[in-house]
Amino acid sequence: AQSVTQPDIHITVSEGASLELRCNYSYGATPYLFWYVQSPGQGLQLLLKYFSGDTLVQGIKGFEAEFKRSQSSFNLRKPSVHWSDAAEYFCAVGARNNAGNMLTFGGGTRLMVKP
Amino acid sequence: GAGVSQSPSNKVTEKGKDVELRCDPISGHTALYWYRQRLGQGLEFLIYFQGNSAPDKSGLPSDRFSAERTGESVSTLTIQRTQQEDSAVYLCASSLTRTSGGGAQYFGPGTRLLVL
Repeated sequence: AQSVTQPDIHITVSEGASLELRCNYSYGATPYLFWYVQSPGQGLQLLLKYFSGDTLVQGIKGFEAEFKRSQSSFNLRKPSVHWSDAAEYFCAVGARNNAGNMLTFGGGTRLMVKP
Repeated sequence: GAGVSQSPSNKVTEKGKDVELRCDPISGHTALYWYRQRLGQGLEFLIYFQGNSAPDKSGLPSDRFSAERTGESVSTLTIQRTQQEDSAVYLCASSLTRTSGGGAQYFGPGTRLLVL
């Protein structure tokens, strides 16, 4: 069964600083990979997804993520954080051979942005 | 509608009562998913529908939980004889099909359930 680990429960960065949120997954083959963001009181919004091809994927709001097979990682990055990026971020894995395509989520990383 | 909608947005109930949570997926999305998010935790998969059938019920935590979907549209998650540990946010998601594009799922705002 697949699993996802987000090692950082909380991260605080200054506005304008760069950001990297870590995500490691466990799966026997190449999975589908996703990053979602959840703002307070709101549902999850899809930031970006990796299915195949170019391992560097671009998403909304200036985010990008890089799939590294050798490290079983899919870290999320942003070059310059804005105060509105403060939220909780979830990495998720979908198995390619899973008939249901249900997602397995990491525990989340809560991002705080200092002015 | 433009996105997935869920109702009610909040539900407070007494232990032992039954509750029904509703999900309206994005129009044309054939796959529908229910997840549960306990306070401060990630999402747990509950059940998945392809059309009106539920081939994967593996995530339902007990036989008090059931779900149905009609008309390949609206889904209802029912929790019978609620317990305090059922308190959580229940999130619904839909995707165009179960396999297209890796099945990117689009989530509703959730129903926050509190069992007293």
